[in-house]
Amino acid sequence: AQSVTQPDIHITVSEGASLELRCNYSYGATPYLFWYVQSPGQGLQLLLKYFSGDTLVQGIKGFEAEFKRSQSSFNLRKPSVHWSDAAEYFCAVGQNTGNQFYFGTGTSLTVIP
Amino acid sequence: DAGVIQSPRHEVTEMGQEVTLRCKPISGHDYLFWYRQTMMRGLELLIYFNNNVPIDDSGMPEDRFSAKMPNASFSTLKIQPSEPRDSAVYFCASSRGGTGFRGYTFGSGTRLTVV
Repeated sequence: AQSVTQPDIHITVSEGASLELRCNYSYGATPYLFWYVQSPGQGLQLLLKYFSGDTLVQGIKGFEAEFKRSQSSFNLRKPSVHWSDAAEYFCAVGQNTGNQFYFGTGTSLTVIP
Repeated sequence: DAGVIQSPRHEVTEMGQEVTLRCKPISGHDYLFWYRQTMMRGLELLIYFNNNVPIDDSGMPEDRFSAKMPNASFSTLKIQPSEPRDSAVYFCASSRGGTGFRGYTFGSGTRLTVV
């Protein structure tokens, strides 16, 4: 069965520091992978997505993610975090058939001055 | 495009009352999804529609929950009677051609509090 694991429930980083949020998936075929961000009181906004091709994908707000098939991972990175990046981040995997979407449990990011 | 529009943004109701949540998907999107988000359970898919037809409602928790999509531009999620454990944020999302290719566009959610 498909699943998504975000091992870090909460991460705190200093403003200007680099960030990496971990995501591991379980899926039998090539997955479609997504990262969403949820600011407090808001809906989920798509940051980036991976379907195929180049394993390093660029997203909005300066985020990028790298697909590593050998590690079943799709970690989200940002070189320099801004205070406005404080939010909840969700990794998700979609299927190439059917329409189920599997979300991870989310990682809450706190940015300190 | 205005995005996925949900109403109301906040709803406070008494236990036993009927609650109706509304969603307007993005024009041209043929899939619509209802999710519930709680601290304990995270994001749960309740039901989804394709071309206004319910495809999978296995996530609907109980018979108290029902969802309809009378046309391509409107869907409702109804809880009758409501209970305190239904308190959550309910999200509607829409997609064109299924999630495998594009992911979803989410609405801003309805925060439901049942007292």
